[in-house]
Amino acid sequence: QVYLVESGGGVVQPGRSLRLSCAASGFTFSKYGMHWVRQAPGKGLEWVSVMWSDGSNEYYADSVKGRFIISRDNSKSTLYLQMNNLRAEDTAVYYCARDIANTVFGVGWIDPWGQGTLVTVSS
Amino acid sequence: EIVLTQSPATLSLSPGERATLSCRASQSVNSYLAWYQQKPGQAPRLLIYDASKRATGIPARFSGSGSGTDFTLTISSLEPEDFAVYYCQHRSKWPSFTFGPGTKVDIK
Repeated sequence: QVYLVESGGGVVQPGRSLRLSCAASGFTFSKYGMHWVRQAPGKGLEWVSVMWSDGSNEYYADSVKGRFIISRDNSKSTLYLQMNNLRAEDTAVYYCARDIANTVFGVGWIDPWGQGTLVTVSS
Repeated sequence: EIVLTQSPATLSLSPGERATLSCRASQSVNSYLAWYQQKPGQAPRLLIYDASKRATGIPARFSGSGSGTDFTLTISSLEPEDFAVYYCQHRSKWPSFTFGPGTKVDIK
């Protein structure tokens, strides 16, 4: 059984930073690309970032480029999202999710997903 | 940037009825389209990828079709657990991914 457990969410002031973690288990973490996807309260899904299985490449949505940094520690089966210069519009549930293909760069289809962690940016 | 449009925004049906959901892309995405289901308070789950391939463990009542710019998710006979929000997603502009705004299927 695959498990993805996010942590690190909370309330943060605009302009501050927050680091999310995603602990993975039940599969060989180092073989899969990993994504972050977010969902603002009552809104739809927004893809945020992906990192290839070996950590060699990372990509971001334009809305977070230059502010967020994705990383992973394959020895700890953990994915991270460093969020800097946070804005009110970054308020959302952040989901960690796995690519369905066990290749270096994946195929872009996302499953399974963690239960998410809520980030609220407010003064 | 490719924009996905989903229709209708809400679909009100009864259990046992057939549901037909539409996703339209602003330009061709070939067959690089997926469908996800999200129930209230839960994470999304993948139903269909590459336009028509069912993900692992997804019941046969779910089917996907289409290519280019027009796609359809069909639920042949709605079960009580199928009332949820459905999103389409494309990956044609690798490695950029976009979701549609969603269609809510609720009980009539």
